[in-house]
Amino acid sequence: KQEVTQIPAALSVPEGENLVLNCSFTDSAIYNLQWFRQDPGKGLTSLLLIQSSQREQTSGRLNASLDKSSGRSTLYIAASQPGDSATYLCALGTGANNLFFGTGTRLTVIP
Amino acid sequence: NAGVTQTPKFQVLKTGQSMTLQCAQDMNHEYMSWYRQDPGMGLRLIHYSVGAGITDQGEVPNGYNVSRSTTEDFPLRLLSAAPSQTSVYFCAAGLREGITQYFGPGTRLTVL
Repeated sequence: KQEVTQIPAALSVPEGENLVLNCSFTDSAIYNLQWFRQDPGKGLTSLLLIQSSQREQTSGRLNASLDKSSGRSTLYIAASQPGDSATYLCALGTGANNLFFGTGTRLTVIP
Repeated sequence: NAGVTQTPKFQVLKTGQSMTLQCAQDMNHEYMSWYRQDPGMGLRLIHYSVGAGITDQGEVPNGYNVSRSTTEDFPLRLLSAAPSQTSVYFCAAGLREGITQYFGPGTRLTVL
């Protein structure tokens, strides 16, 4: 069974800092990888989707990379803002109609 | 265009009661799914559907039933609620598995 780990569980940074969130997984036979943002009491918002054949995807200040061989993905957030404070989840798609989610990293950006 | 909507937002049940969590989408997406989110654990798939009339079990299906009579609606039924089903439930919709999934705002369920 696919195991997805996100470390650290929580992270606090001052506004303006660049930061990296990590996601590791045990089975490299993945279909794709998605990064989601979850605000307290809210649903999940998809940020970036990387297909298994891709190495990275970018959207604005966000850049996600995927290295299947090492079982790792990173989400890079440039010039962090207080509005970036949320929980960030990575999820692996295996092509079997199931997303395997990590437990998330709770990010706090301090003004 | 509301995306994915879920009702109710909050619900408290007593052990043994039954209820239905509602999920609706207006994006005409074929793929819909139900997840539960528990503290310290990632979201886990309960049931999913790849189109009207087709449903299948996910990772944690016990105690739940689903049906998909229309493309728009995908209700989740708790047959006899148990305290272990206390959780936040999310419904998602997508064009197909492997494409961006759109999530609803969630239903927070407490079973006493």
